[in-house]
Amino acid sequence: NAGVTQTPKFQVLKTGQSMTLQCAQDMNHNSMYWYRQDPGMGLRLIYYSASEGTTDKGEVPNGYNVSRLNKREFSLRLESAAPSQTSVYFCASRLKPHQPQHFGDGTRLSIL
Amino acid sequence: AQTVTQSQPEMSVQEAETVTLSCTYDTSESDYYLFWYKQPPSRQMILVIRQEAYKQQNATENRFSVNFQKAAKSFSLKISDSQLGDAAMYFCAYMVGSRLTFGEGTQLTVNP
Repeated sequence: NAGVTQTPKFQVLKTGQSMTLQCAQDMNHNSMYWYRQDPGMGLRLIYYSASEGTTDKGEVPNGYNVSRLNKREFSLRLESAAPSQTSVYFCASRLKPHQPQHFGDGTRLSIL
Repeated sequence: AQTVTQSQPEMSVQEAETVTLSCTYDTSESDYYLFWYKQPPSRQMILVIRQEAYKQQNATENRFSVNFQKAAKSFSLKISDSQLGDAAMYFCAYMVGSRLTFGEGTQLTVNP
């Protein structure tokens, strides 16, 4: 009953380091999403993949890249981490349009 | 751009009482979906209730119900018989197509 699994759960980076956040879902969902959550704000969409083989920018894509490796996996990469990217990152997936998204437990990322 | 506004950063309620959380949204779309998500201290994002914009009937899930006013673009959440476990951050969210837009959240405290 895993659902959406994110790794790692916590990470501390130095400015300029690179990092890939992993996300996998076992629900055979078509769409996958990456959000960031900052204090006092709701979740903001970074990138999404409506279906395997496609990716699109969300509200705050700058400084990030994504890869939809296969139907199950959708990774988020920070090529050169900046302190402004300190946040909690959530991955989500959804089977069909207009159905609710299912969320992972989040990754807390701190960049010093 | 679509926006979602939660005007109450914090709310409190006595155990067993009823509380209503407010949400308004701005859109030019006619076909969309609305959601309330709950985020307890564990950081999980848990779906509470969903509403299809084309349905006039307000959604209900046990102690949770919504007051959906399409013309006013209002989507409030009513929690009846509040329980200690209801204490969490509550996010209103709007979805059209593949994209989900969140409000900034309302922190709900339940007092024993």
